[in-house]
Amino acid sequence: GQSLEQPSEVTAVEGAIVQINCTYQTSGFYGLSWYQQHDGGAPTFLSYNALDGLEETGRFSSFLSRSDSYGYLLLQELQMKDSASYFCAVPNAGKSTFGDGTTLTVKP
Amino acid sequence: SQTIHQWPATLVQPVGSPLSLECTVEGTSNPNLYWYRQAAGRGLQLLFYSVGIGQISSEVPQNLSASRPQDRQFILSSKKLLLSDSGFYLCAWNTGATNEKLFFGSGTQLSVL
Repeated sequence: GQSLEQPSEVTAVEGAIVQINCTYQTSGFYGLSWYQQHDGGAPTFLSYNALDGLEETGRFSSFLSRSDSYGYLLLQELQMKDSASYFCAVPNAGKSTFGDGTTLTVKP
Repeated sequence: SQTIHQWPATLVQPVGSPLSLECTVEGTSNPNLYWYRQAAGRGLQLLFYSVGIGQISSEVPQNLSASRPQDRQFILSSKKLLLSDSGFYLCAWNTGATNEKLFFGSGTQLSVL
């Protein structure tokens, strides 16, 4: 089976940097995806790491370490609009298993 | 460009009533289609997925069923709703070439009373 662990809540101030961690246990691993979901909205895809290392997309970066079964999402120059839930997910055979999500609150 | 439509946005149904949620995708052929359910403050639980017309895989035993009558249409149904069926239902699609990312519909908030 698949299981993913991430912190339930994180709080940071505007302009700061925050890291959201995700550890996983899977039978068969191809990569780690990240999604953002604003309250009441649909999840939107942010990034995918198939290989170890850091992938940067604007203010957001995602990191993967296969040997540690660990990844993180790094958000820089936080803005109020970044307040949302963030989910890590493991795609496998076309299906994705999601963690329970981390609620990020950005304060002024 | 591809778009996904899901309706209705909100639904309040009495216990024991039937359910039909519909999802359609435009701008792509032979997509993989998914139904997820999200409980408040929780992650997404995969209910059903389909790789083609009439091909449905169920991930968890439950009171719900799914059908795919056309290539880009996916329907979630129940004959008799339970209180425990309440939740946020999300339809999603991807292709075999992009199965690391899912594209979600806007969701249906279902309340069973």
